[in-house]
Amino acid sequence: QEQLVQSGAEVKKPGASVKVSCKASGYTFTSNDIIWVRQATGQGLEWMGWMSPGSGDSGHARKFQGRLTMTRNTAISTAYMELNSLTSDDTAVYYCARGVTNFNWLDPWGQGTQVTVSA
Amino acid sequence: DIQLTQSPASLSASVGDRVTITCRASQNIRNYVNWYQQKPGKAPQFLMYAASRLHSGVPSRFSGSGSGTDFTLTISSLQPEDFATYFCQQSYNTPWTFGQGTKVEIK
Repeated sequence: QEQLVQSGAEVKKPGASVKVSCKASGYTFTSNDIIWVRQATGQGLEWMGWMSPGSGDSGHARKFQGRLTMTRNTAISTAYMELNSLTSDDTAVYYCARGVTNFNWLDPWGQGTQVTVSA
Repeated sequence: DIQLTQSPASLSASVGDRVTITCRASQNIRNYVNWYQQKPGKAPQFLMYAASRLHSGVPSRFSGSGSGTDFTLTISSLQPEDFATYFCQQSYNTPWTFGQGTKVEIK
């Protein structure tokens, strides 16, 4: 079945970068956008951006301007999200999800990757 | 950015109760609303798209309605596995924002 599997938890110091991977299986990786969403502990869901694995095009929320890079390796059906200049406010669980059709619902989701930013 | 306001933020209900969650958008988003269920420590799971169309496999006790700025998710007869947090999401314009969530707890 369609599945997204993410890389493991990360602990980073302020100012560092983190790169999270998201491996797709069970569907054609280049057919659907990959969306990145994060969730701080006890908080809601925050949409970060999207990437088209087919074209490499991407877009992101304004608050991540200059800090967020989304890439992919189609040979291994894997998407990547890299966030730079980390602060404690970036401590959260990061999810990738597949965007589906014109209504862009998100299904499936990866299991989530905990990123902790601490001195 | 389009703001989504869910109400209530939390509710307590019993098994068998009818539950309604509201999601209000800051501007007209036609029917570009999707709903998700999230249980503690788990990723969200997709429930419904286009405001009222159930995802395959989602029980028929779940239903959705609305268009424009006001949307509702209804659970007709709450079951033990339905205790969770529910989020609406708009996909009308990027950034695709989410409501802040409604936690459904056991009374």
